[in-house]
Amino acid sequence: ILNVEQSPQSLHVQEGDSTNFTCSFPSSNFYALHWYRWETAKSPEALFVMTLNGDEKKKGRISATLNTKEGYSYLYIKGSQPEDSATYLCALYATGNQFYFGTGTSLTVIP
Amino acid sequence: EPEVTQTPSHQVTQMGQEVILRCVPISNHLYFYWYRQILGQKVEFLVSFYNNEISEKSEIFDDQFSVERPDGSNFTLKIRSTKLEDSAMYFCASTRTMNTEAFFGQGTRLTVV
Repeated sequence: ILNVEQSPQSLHVQEGDSTNFTCSFPSSNFYALHWYRWETAKSPEALFVMTLNGDEKKKGRISATLNTKEGYSYLYIKGSQPEDSATYLCALYATGNQFYFGTGTSLTVIP
Repeated sequence: EPEVTQTPSHQVTQMGQEVILRCVPISNHLYFYWYRQILGQKVEFLVSFYNNEISEKSEIFDDQFSVERPDGSNFTLKIRSTKLEDSAMYFCASTRTMNTEAFFGQGTRLTVV
């Protein structure tokens, strides 16, 4: 079992603030790092799939970076909006054809 | 947009009963997964399935669990004799290839009483 850690566990920010969270993972046995956004009562929705060290991906106000050598990824949200409120999950796709999920960071954006 | 569908959305069953959770993955996807999340805990891997056979399973996936792709579209998870601790949200997911984004169903909430 590979241990994927996310921090912080929860976060409250004001509308308009920028924020970031961390996903750390064992750097061996690495195929890809996925970020998912999970709103209550919905299914997780893929944000990014990153495979290369130094990868940076962006979707609107959300971006992510990956450091496979040291085993971490950051997710950034610029100018948070209330609709960004969700749980952000990272998942390591590694040997064994499976995803290893972190516990998620719960983001609440206060209007 | 293609989506993974799961039925039922809620299932209440008595301890010791068999349940079948159903999933329809995205049609051109080749890899299928079952995960579960017990309330307040991390999402846990149960099993992955490729080419009509299990490719990986976790310790949770014991002899009480089985998966099938009976007709080339449905992907089912069967729990033969449910226990109280099987109560959880069960999520099905599929990927087109091994390393592409996963599409998740909305989950089946299983409550064992």
